[in-house]
Amino acid sequence: GQNIDQPTEMTATEGAIVQINCTYQTSGFNGLFWYQQHAGEAPTFLSYNVLDGLEEKGRFSSFLSRSKGYSYLLLKELQMKDSASYLCASAHNTDKLIFGTGTRLQVFP
Amino acid sequence: NAGVTQTPKFRVLKTGQSMTLLCAQDMNHEYMYWYRQDPGMGLRLIHYSVGEGTTAKGEVPDGYNVSRLKKQNFLLGLESAAPSQTSVYFCASSVSGSGSYNEQFFGPGTRLTVL
Repeated sequence: GQNIDQPTEMTATEGAIVQINCTYQTSGFNGLFWYQQHAGEAPTFLSYNVLDGLEEKGRFSSFLSRSKGYSYLLLKELQMKDSASYLCASAHNTDKLIFGTGTRLQVFP
Repeated sequence: NAGVTQTPKFRVLKTGQSMTLLCAQDMNHEYMYWYRQDPGMGLRLIHYSVGEGTTAKGEVPDGYNVSRLKKQNFLLGLESAAPSQTSVYFCASSVSGSGSYNEQFFGPGTRLTVL
């Protein structure tokens, strides 16, 4: 199978910066998605990377290294509302996404 | 646009009962997916469809059937519910399965409990 790994839980303080890492299998790789999921709600799209480098979108940035099979999501100026699960999902030469189990981020005041 | 909608939002079944979950999307997307989400397991793909009239098995298809008679609708059926099917079910849709067009839009979920 095609495994995708990310940490289970992370904690951070309001106003801080946090980096959530994700590793995936490189075979047939065709893009990397990040989703945010608040408790009891549906996942919502955050970012998509297919080329190496950093994509910045306001307080959130996503980085990709295709050769290393590695991505991270960077959240700056953390707010309480950023407490959520963050799902990493890789696309390969199929019709499906492979989702990680998600990283539950808790932001404390 | 409503996006992706799911009915019902909640349901309690007894073991052996059957039910159908309905997913509808108004974005004219070709691809549709059914996932289940359990604590510690992440999103697992049950079945998916790459267009009207097509269906395919995902990672955990056993005990479920699907139909895509109309492009905008994707139905998930449980013929004989089991307690192991207690889960949150999400439907999603995407333009296609390629590159950025694989961005999936999710419905609000159906919380199913099987007693």
